[in-house]
Amino acid sequence: DTGVSQDPRHKITKRGQNVTFRCDPISEHNRLYWYRQTLGQGPEFLTYFQNEAQLEKSRLLSDRFSAERPKGSFSTLEIQRTEQGDSAMYLCASSSFRGGYEQYFGPGTRLTVT
Amino acid sequence: DQQVKQNSPSLSVQEGRISILNCDYTNSMFDYFLWYKKYPAEGPTFLISISSIKDKNEDGRFTVFLNKSAKHLSLHIVPSQPGDSAVYFCAASRLIQGAQKLVFGQGTRLTINP
Repeated sequence: DTGVSQDPRHKITKRGQNVTFRCDPISEHNRLYWYRQTLGQGPEFLTYFQNEAQLEKSRLLSDRFSAERPKGSFSTLEIQRTEQGDSAMYLCASSSFRGGYEQYFGPGTRLTVT
Repeated sequence: DQQVKQNSPSLSVQEGRISILNCDYTNSMFDYFLWYKKYPAEGPTFLISISSIKDKNEDGRFTVFLNKSAKHLSLHIVPSQPGDSAVYFCAASRLIQGAQKLVFGQGTRLTINP
């Protein structure tokens, strides 16, 4: 059983560039979440997918952010025109409809915008 | 507004003793509470959870207590072991549009001293 995987683990980019992160959830999990964590804080909810449908987005997710989950499998999170304030750890989590409320997290992608 | 608060940024405990981590919340609509453990450069790992209809849940060395009237929960680890040294996050959950959105506290860094 493989857990949640994320790629890349680290990304350094220059301000103004676009970046894309990928998340592969646990295979039987139909719910997928993206969170962002900055230094000294807990993770903050960004968006949620049930299968391929994006059902909720946080107001933290500005117009420069877009997430997709084609075919209800892996998901991508794209940030356009990155800003230094986007530097953070981006975490993906998944959960099962049949399971409890527990969400299982991947290792995260650490983004540094220079 | 910080709906979930962990007021102790750090805690140091002797190996073999009890570790008690505390968490307060403000939103009475939360119906499920979870504790996650996080090592550096890894995503949060689910530890234990409790439904709002219960006041205690135990799993091995870990016990979570919920006091709904005080809007307070705590995690007890006994006996504490060096491998328990990590950052611990409490999280509260509310069902919104089928999404179990987690709201996290800021975390408490637990250090177990040999």
